[in-house]
Amino acid sequence: DAGVTQSPTHLIKTRGQHVTLRCSPISGHKSVSWYQQVLGQGPQFIFQYYEKEERGRGNFPDRFSARQFPNYSSELNVNALLLGDSALYLCASSLAPNGGEQFFGPGTRLTVL
Amino acid sequence: QQQVKQSPQSLIVQKGGISIINCAYENTAFDYFPWYQQFPGKGPALLIAIRPDVSEKKEGRFTISFNKSAKQFSLHIMDSQPGDSATYFCAASISRNNDMRFGAGTRLTVKP
Repeated sequence: DAGVTQSPTHLIKTRGQHVTLRCSPISGHKSVSWYQQVLGQGPQFIFQYYEKEERGRGNFPDRFSARQFPNYSSELNVNALLLGDSALYLCASSLAPNGGEQFFGPGTRLTVL
Repeated sequence: QQQVKQSPQSLIVQKGGISIINCAYENTAFDYFPWYQQFPGKGPALLIAIRPDVSEKKEGRFTISFNKSAKQFSLHIMDSQPGDSATYFCAASISRNNDMRFGAGTRLTVKP
């Protein structure tokens, strides 16, 4: 039974570029959340999507955007990359938009040079 | 802002010993408190979780103790094994949404 999958695994970009990260939730899960994990810290909430609608947004600038597709997969887009955007980006899926239980993917390691 | 404070930052325990990690939260609206285990290069894996209507939950060697009045909860790992060596995160959320707030993490090393 496949868990949450994310692509790519690793990514290197330069300042000012944009990046698109992808996530496929566990089969049957309709909610996807995105988190940023800077080295040595806990994950920080960026977005939650459920049934293609944004249900929550963390304290991140407008350079960060996301969307969810009819098959419940999701994309996270980051524009005008900064050095400080270097982090592990995690996707978590859950059955419902509430209730708490979330399952994380392996993450995408983004390095901005 | 940090809403969940976790301690210690790192912990070294001998094989067979008890590992204890503590967390404190600020927002009394939090009603779901999970613990995640993360190995290097991997995403966090849900270990065990508790809701504030119970004071303790045990699953195998892992136990969560919850003190609602003190706004604190802790993870106890009994009979710690070298394979338990990982970073552990506590978290808290309001179950009507999935905006989960994480602690800063505890790096656990279990020595053989």
